[in-house]
Amino acid sequence: GAVVSQHPSWVICKSGTSVKIECRSLDFQATTMFWYRQFPKQSLMLMATSNEGSKATYEQGVEKDKFLINHASLTLSTLTVTSAHPEDSSFYICSARGSGRGYEQFFGPGTRLTVL
Amino acid sequence: GENVEQHPSTLSVQEGDSAVIKCTYSDSASNYFPWYKQELGKRPQLIIDIRSNVGEKKDQRIAVTLNKTAKHFSLHITETQPEDSAVYFCAASSGGNTPLVFGKGTRLSVIA
Repeated sequence: GAVVSQHPSWVICKSGTSVKIECRSLDFQATTMFWYRQFPKQSLMLMATSNEGSKATYEQGVEKDKFLINHASLTLSTLTVTSAHPEDSSFYICSARGSGRGYEQFFGPGTRLTVL
Repeated sequence: GENVEQHPSTLSVQEGDSAVIKCTYSDSASNYFPWYKQELGKRPQLIIDIRSNVGEKKDQRIAVTLNKTAKHFSLHITETQPEDSAVYFCAASSGGNTPLVFGKGTRLSVIA
């Protein structure tokens, strides 16, 4: 159990366009979802924390108007990268924590974003 | 907020030898300490975790120790194999709505 899916697995877009990444918990209700970004050969850096039905909490230095996060249901959260630029190219990974699932965070497979 | 330091950044060992990776954390409220293995382009894979009410946990060749007083925890891999080669991350959290904060990672190379 505790499967998290992410779509798309990779995306290439032109500079200035917007990209939406979906994160779904397939077999549990995700009360809290987290979005991380990972640059090559670096660690996972937390971007934001979202709880179902409320606004996301962004980490310092992460632009909330650029990285729009929506957690509309207990099984779906979306991250939209608006007006993407080459420096936004990265590996984006979501993770979810569910009620009754203890402390573990379950990770999606990640989305490789390349902005040309 | 929480800050997790991880050492070493790279580690090379001969096949069959042991590998030890160490982490320290700053937030005394943290009570959950998982270790992840990540292969290139893939999601982090949980390999072992420990809660703060336990000092040591073992799963076959992998063990984790926790010293809450000193705020450090370590990953021990015995009888290393080439397939253990990967990047390993430690993390810490106090659960609930608080996220995992990751160390910078250790690239482990097991030389056959």
